[in-house]
This record gives sequence, C-alpha cells and structure tokens, in this order.
Amino acid sequence: AQKITQTQPGMFVQEKEAVTLDCTYDTSDPSYGLFWYKQPSSGEMIFLIYQGSYDQQNATEGRYSLNFQKARKSANLVISASQLGDSAMYFCAMNGGYGNKLVFGAGTILRVKS
Amino acid sequence: GAVVSQHPSWVICKSGTSVKIECRSLDFQATTMFWYRQFPKQSLMLMATSNEGSKATYEQGVEKDKFLINHASLTLSTLTVTSAHPEDSSFYICSARDTWRGWETQYFGPGTRLLVL
Repeated sequence: AQKITQTQPGMFVQEKEAVTLDCTYDTSDPSYGLFWYKQPSSGEMIFLIYQGSYDQQNATEGRYSLNFQKARKSANLVISASQLGDSAMYFCAMNGGYGNKLVFGAGTILRVKS
Repeated sequence: GAVVSQHPSWVICKSGTSVKIECRSLDFQATTMFWYRQFPKQSLMLMATSNEGSKATYEQGVEKDKFLINHASLTLSTLTVTSAHPEDSSFYICSARDTWRGWETQYFGPGTRLLVL
C-alpha cells in the first residue's frame, strides 16, 4: 500500500524567505508520481507541481521546486521568496498502483508573516 | 486549461432530504472523476471513482446507496447524498483526471460545503 507522511502540522515563514515543506512516501511500485497541492481557506485544491519517479531532475515551476530524493523516499516542496498569498494548507500526494488513485498526506499549514 | 467546476458551492438542507452536487470538466473530457470528502483541518478522503458510462467504484466503508454517483457524460459527474443527516455535513470536492505535460494529473473543483440541519 502507498503512504504519504507529512510530519509538519504547521509552519511559519517570514515574507520573502524560502521555506521547505517535508514529505516522505512509501510504495512498492516502481512507477509512481508525486504531487503537491495548495488549499487556501476557500477550499479549492490547486495543483502546484509534479515529479515522476523516473525523472532524473528535480521539478520546478516558478517559485516552487520539488526536492526529490528517491533513495530517501522524500519529495519536499521548496517555496522561494514567500508571499502572503502563500498562506494555505499544502498537501503532498502520490499516485500509482491499481486504479492510479491519489493518496494524500495529512497536510501542512503554512503561515507567511509580514 | 484543465478547469473543473462544482455546483453548488454551498448548500444547507433539512435532515431527510436529498442533495445533488455536480462536477464538470469545462475545457477537457474526463472519463474518470473522483469524489472526496474532507473534514475541517483534515486530509481528503476518497469516496469513490466515477467512470463515464459505467458504475462507480466505491471505497471501503462508503455506502453506495447513501452516496449515489452518476457519470453520464465525459464532462459531468454527479454525487447525490440521499436522505441526508447532520453527520453527512462536510466539504465535498471532486476531481477530474487529465494530463499535464504528458503525466496523469487530477484537477480539482472548488468544492461544495454541505450543512444538514
């Protein structure tokens, strides 16, 4: 079975600084995808970034980058130059296996301070 | 691209009534959609996988007769909460499967908040 672990219930970061949100995963599938979603207080889930298990390079999308360490089974999200609008819940997720369903972590609440 | 809408965004109903929630993929066709439930400050819990033209696949512990899912077209899936009770009050969110740079990805709707009185 697949499992996602996010050990940080909440994080604070000063505006304009970088922050790393931790995510570790467990799976026996050789092929899988790792995702990060942002959920602001409005409730919508916003897709941020994707990393495939066979990707050699870390994924980057604007201010978001995914620090993928396959041997450690970690897929940490790095947000550079934090903005007040980055305050939200962040979920790490993975798919793969039968049905290719998404498995979510518990989430990390990020608060950006001005 | 890859926009998913949900309607209604908010619904308040009396106990015993049924509520229908619509999930639409606006700019792509989705043979597979998913329905999730989320309690405050918790993660998403997958309820069922909705497949166009066939029966939905429910997760263990989810009552099929309670949560009716219909995926009648490639752009619309509906979730009907039948005979709703206060314990069904929750945030329901759908997603639709599409690709992003060739990789399979789920895009989510804005969610529906259900309050059963």
